[in-house]
Amino acid sequence: DIVMTQSPDSLAVSLGERATINCKSSQSVLHSSNNKNHLAWYQQKPGQPPKLLIYWASTRESGVPDRFSGSGSGADFTLTISSLQAEDVAVYSCQQYYSTPYTFGQGTKLEI
Amino acid sequence: EVQLVESGGGLVQPGGSLRLSCAASGFHFSSYWMTWVRQAPGKGLEWVANVNEEGSEKYYVDSVKGRFTISRDNAKNSVYLQMNSLRGEDTAVYYCARPRGYEILDYWGQGTLVTVSS
Repeated sequence: DIVMTQSPDSLAVSLGERATINCKSSQSVLHSSNNKNHLAWYQQKPGQPPKLLIYWASTRESGVPDRFSGSGSGADFTLTISSLQAEDVAVYSCQQYYSTPYTFGQGTKLEI
Repeated sequence: EVQLVESGGGLVQPGGSLRLSCAASGFHFSSYWMTWVRQAPGKGLEWVANVNEEGSEKYYVDSVKGRFTISRDNAKNSVYLQMNSLRGEDTAVYYCARPRGYEILDYWGQGTLVTVSS
């Protein structure tokens, strides 16, 4: 199984500042068949289901503010929130969809 | 509007069984794989199982293989998770989710809580 490891486990950032969350996979999730990284990011607010933010490592889901961006390739990925807003307080999780079981990272709790 | 509504959760004793259901609407159900993901209290997300459009291909995380069975009924726009031999570590909120393609989970239900305890 591919193990997804996020860092840090929790993060406190001031309003308007940049937040950076890292995700490392135990093997590359860059698929040779389509030359794409099979990596997604989700946001989960308390009491709510996860919400898809980013897929293919860097493609923003429709309706997601452009302050959210994803980068990286192979086995190292980053989710960046360029200017933190109060509504961004949540747990963020990465997920690989390269091979079953489609594993998630442990989550990073983002606070103000 | 896409909607996924889970039901069937509750309190069950260790070794017991439970069947979760997920009713889908707002999209052409039979054209999509469907997935179950769970989240233990205060823990991260864990992918559990998925099933293809026809119900002929099924994949599971190792920890539930032989105990859980995913199935679907396209006539009823529903996907199910039959859970047998339940253990305390199966206690979690179980989410039904729709993969848009590959396993990019673009719609999620609100979840149903399963508690395994004596």
